[in-house]
Amino acid sequence: GAGVSQSPSNKVTEKGKDVELRCDPISGHTALYWYRQSLGQGLEFLIYFQGNSAPDKSGLPSDRFSAERTGGSVSTLTIQRTQQEDSAVYLCASSPAGLKETKNIQYFGAGTRLSVL
Amino acid sequence: DAKTTQPPSMDCAEGRAANLPCNHSTISGNEYVYWYRQIHSQGPQYIIHGLKNNETNEMASLIITEDRKSSTLILPHATLRDTAVYYCIVRVAAGGTSYGKLTFGQGTILTVHP
Repeated sequence: GAGVSQSPSNKVTEKGKDVELRCDPISGHTALYWYRQSLGQGLEFLIYFQGNSAPDKSGLPSDRFSAERTGGSVSTLTIQRTQQEDSAVYLCASSPAGLKETKNIQYFGAGTRLSVL
Repeated sequence: DAKTTQPPSMDCAEGRAANLPCNHSTISGNEYVYWYRQIHSQGPQYIIHGLKNNETNEMASLIITEDRKSSTLILPHATLRDTAVYYCIVRVAAGGTSYGKLTFGQGTILTVHP
């Protein structure tokens, strides 16, 4: 079956522009996560969606960052007024319902590489 | 979630077993050990997880010490394609304010050479 799909794979934008990054999770997965990975750095949690519950936004670095998940499936991460420090690979992951321990098994997409000039 | 400590890098010859250690001395009784890896330019990939018992799947084996303060991921016959950053993560199965997010440390860079 299809894995987690992210688009675009690469995005180059100018400082101050808004960007939207898209994530299509694995069908039937109830949880969706966004992370980012700056050059040479580890993964940084951004936001988490679980079913119809309020999302955990605790990792969003500023109010320029927002995300939504429509219909419990596709998610869009929006960065407004991009800055050079926003340059990173943005990774999306999803995980299935089921046993509690398996909810930590996250399936990642290939990411969107964002470059802010 | 318990903190983990991994060596920054390791080498392994192709065809030999790669044994990647992880220390998690502050692990709690309800915390699982998860291993992920990240091959260059790809998203992380789940490998295996365990609580107390040793586990094996088609990718690897996980050996957890009796006191659960450390574990070892074993790739029985490493190939060049196994060159990646390997992350050991400890966390509860569910619940709590951190539920849902994985905390990735720096991991171990495993280089498999011919």
